[in-house]
Formats: sequence, structure tokens, C-alpha cells
Amino acid sequence: GQNIDQPTEMTATEGAIVQINCTYQTSGFNGLFWYQQHAGEAPTFLSYNVLDGLEEKGRFSSFLSRSKGYSYLLLKELQMKDSASYLCAVEDSGYALNFGKGTSLLVTP
Amino acid sequence: IAGITQAPTSQILAAGRRMTLRCTQDMRHNAMYWYRQDLGLGLRLIHYSNTAGTTGKGEVPDGYSVSRANTDDFPLTLASAVPSQTSVYFCASTRLAGESNEQFFGPGTRLTVL
Repeated sequence: GQNIDQPTEMTATEGAIVQINCTYQTSGFNGLFWYQQHAGEAPTFLSYNVLDGLEEKGRFSSFLSRSKGYSYLLLKELQMKDSASYLCAVEDSGYALNFGKGTSLLVTP
Repeated sequence: IAGITQAPTSQILAAGRRMTLRCTQDMRHNAMYWYRQDLGLGLRLIHYSNTAGTTGKGEVPDGYSVSRANTDDFPLTLASAVPSQTSVYFCASTRLAGESNEQFFGPGTRLTVL
């Protein structure tokens, strides 16, 4: 079975740094994805990790530890437009994505 | 067409009616997926197709069917709609065995079954 956990909600201040954690227990692992989804819109790709370590892409970074079943998404220099849901998803051996329930991030002035 | 499109954008449907949600991509992706998204439950996989001519069941396939006659199109059919199928439906596609298997999502179809 698949079990992917992430916090339901987080709040952070504009300009700050926020870390969104994701833990997973899945049957099969081909990689871990982070998606951003603004209200009423489709999810959009943020990052992909298949090996342990940190992947950096501008203000966003994603970390993976396969042995611990753990990932985090780090958002730096927060902007108001970063208010959105952040979805953690594990790709299983059949190439299907198994999504967590998402973390709703609110960025305040 | 650029990317992945879905139709209709939204639909209100009487229970018991048949409905087909359309999905088309022009990226020549081999794999396509249908998800439903419900408040508090996140995105759940309904059906998928790794290549034209093949389909598979996801986490919540009951009440839904799909077909993949060609690379570009992946329609989702509700044979006899029920209120519990009220949801937002997203179609996605990816080029399997690419660098990251990143899935691209369509804009979604908001379906209400009364």
C-alpha cells in the first residue's frame, strides 16, 4: 500500500524560509515529486528527486532520504504568490504517482 | 493545441446519466492518467495508460472506464453517474523513461452529479 504524509496547513511570512516535510511508506519507489497547485488551477511541476540529497532550483530546493522515507521542500525568500498547496508524490514501480493530501501554505505580509 | 486540454471545463449532470470527459495532448507522450481531486483526500488515480492500446486501474477505478485508441486521446467515461462522483477531474501525461517522468496536468473538469 501507499502512505504519504505531509502537514495539512502552514503559515509563513513574506521574505522568510519555509520547509514542508513529506514522509512516505510505499511499495516500490521510482522517485519523488513536488507539485505546486494554486486554488482552482492544475498542479504544476516543481522538483524531482530520485537519488538522496538536495536538488536546488532557484528559490526552491527539495531533499530526499530514501532510507528514511523522507523528503522536504524548502522555499526561500517567500513571496505572496507562493501561497498555494504543495503536493508530495511518490512514483511507484508502475510509474503511477501516489499523492499526499497536500500542504496548504499561506504567506502573510 | 498546446500541451494538454480537457473538455468540458465544468458540467452538471443528473444521476444515472452517462458522461465522457475528454482529454487530448499534443506532446506525443506515451503515458496518460486520470485523477480525481476531492477536498481533504488529495489527488487519487482512477485509470492510467502507459502506451496506446493498453490501460490499467488505479486506486479508485470503480464506476469509470477508459480507452486509449491512439497516443493523443484518453477519454474517461462514467457509465451511470452517481453523486459520489462529484469531483474535479484532472488528466495528465508524461513521456515515460524520460529524464524525470514529470507529469503535465490538464486544466481540469469540475463535475457535479445531482
